Amino acid sequence: GEDVEQSLFLSVREGDSSVINCTYTDSSSTYLYWYKQEPGAGLQLLTYIFSNMDMKQDQRLTVLLNKKDKHLSLRIADTQTGDSAIYFCAGGSASKIIFGSGTRLSIRP
Amino acid sequence: NAGVTQTPKFRILKIGQSMTLQCTQDMNHNYMYWYRQDPGMGLKLIYYSVGAGITDKGEVPNGYNVSRSTTEDFPLRLELAAPSQTSVYFCATRSGQGQVHNSPLHFGNGTRLTVT
Repeated sequence: GEDVEQSLFLSVREGDSSVINCTYTDSSSTYLYWYKQEPGAGLQLLTYIFSNMDMKQDQRLTVLLNKKDKHLSLRIADTQTGDSAIYFCAGGSASKIIFGSGTRLSIRP
Repeated sequence: NAGVTQTPKFRILKIGQSMTLQCTQDMNHNYMYWYRQDPGMGLKLIYYSVGAGITDKGEVPNGYNVSRSTTEDFPLRLELAAPSQTSVYFCATRSGQGQVHNSPLHFGNGTRLTVT
């Protein structure tokens, strides 16, 4: 079945770039997403990439997709304290979306 | 628009009890999902529905049942609660219309369930 894996923790200094990585097993995933979860809240969509794209940039966010290696990454430029959250990679088809275990991003002053 | 509404927010059950987690949406979305999030873990898909009258199993369906008699409601039923079902349960919806990548998941605020 489908599986999505992420590292559990990442700590960066404020102002540096954060890079969160994800690998997935289902090569038929049509869409790949990054969601953000702040404490005590549900998940919010940050950005997505279609499977026929290699890169997508949206303000401070850059998504890179390597289909050959089934590897997805999210880069957050100029990381701020407000970026502290859990970031989930997700992939799937039109009807079903599978999430990774999430990467907890913490920011050091 | 209220969006996705889940009730209750919190519940404590004894082992063997049953309960229904309610999820209702007012966005006329076709697709609805139930996920569980265990402490420090990601979301696991329990069941999903692509429209009224249609439901499918996700990654972890054992111990749960669902129904989708209307577009708006997608209740999740626990028949014999077990400690392993202690978790936060999230209901989510998506439109399913038009281009799927422009149709993100909309999440409810979650139901925190403890089984003791």
